[in-house]
Amino acid sequence: NAGVTQTPKFRILKIGQSMTLQCAQDMNHNYMYWYRQDPGMGLKLIYYSVGAGITDKGEVPNGYNVSRSTTEDFPLRLELAAPSQTSVYFCASSYFLPGGPYEQFFGPGTRLTVL
Amino acid sequence: GENVEQHPSTLSVQEGDSAVIKCTYSDSASNYFPWYKQELGKGPQLIIDIRSNVGEKKDQRIAVTLNKTAKHFSLHITETQPEDSAVYFCAASIIQGAQKLVFGQGTRLTINP
Repeated sequence: NAGVTQTPKFRILKIGQSMTLQCAQDMNHNYMYWYRQDPGMGLKLIYYSVGAGITDKGEVPNGYNVSRSTTEDFPLRLELAAPSQTSVYFCASSYFLPGGPYEQFFGPGTRLTVL
Repeated sequence: GENVEQHPSTLSVQEGDSAVIKCTYSDSASNYFPWYKQELGKGPQLIIDIRSNVGEKKDQRIAVTLNKTAKHFSLHITETQPEDSAVYFCAASIIQGAQKLVFGQGTRLTINP
């Protein structure tokens, strides 16, 4: 299993540009998450999904959108990039059964710079 | 909402000594407390977790303790080794479907040979 994969690894955007951060998992996990990590800080939840077609906001959703059309993929969309969105973005996945929770598996991250 | 504070932000110990990292949380409803290790350039990886119905959990050189009354929990690493050098994060959440973790600010642990 490849686990959780993210592309690209690095990206530089200009203010106002748009982009999609890709995330895929091959563990058949029903739950997927997007976090951002600012320098010297902990991770903050942007959006999460409990299954295909179902998404919900996390702690810091403004400026982002997500979709979940399949179990495997959970892309994060930035529509109008702003310098405040300069961060490292992590995607994670987990499964949940009664008696959970179970471990969240994280991808390697995407380092985004907005200039 | 939940707020998690983590201390210290940096910690340097001699190889073979013990390291302790402490976290406090604000929401008494939180009942799941994982610890993650993040190595340079990588995503966080779960190293140990504890639920609120347990006071202590141990896995080889790593242990976590939880004090529900005081709303704080701690990570203990004994017999530290150079490969323990990393950034460690505590987190808290409520076990109810999606696991919306709230993370502490992180502790950069350096093991000096």
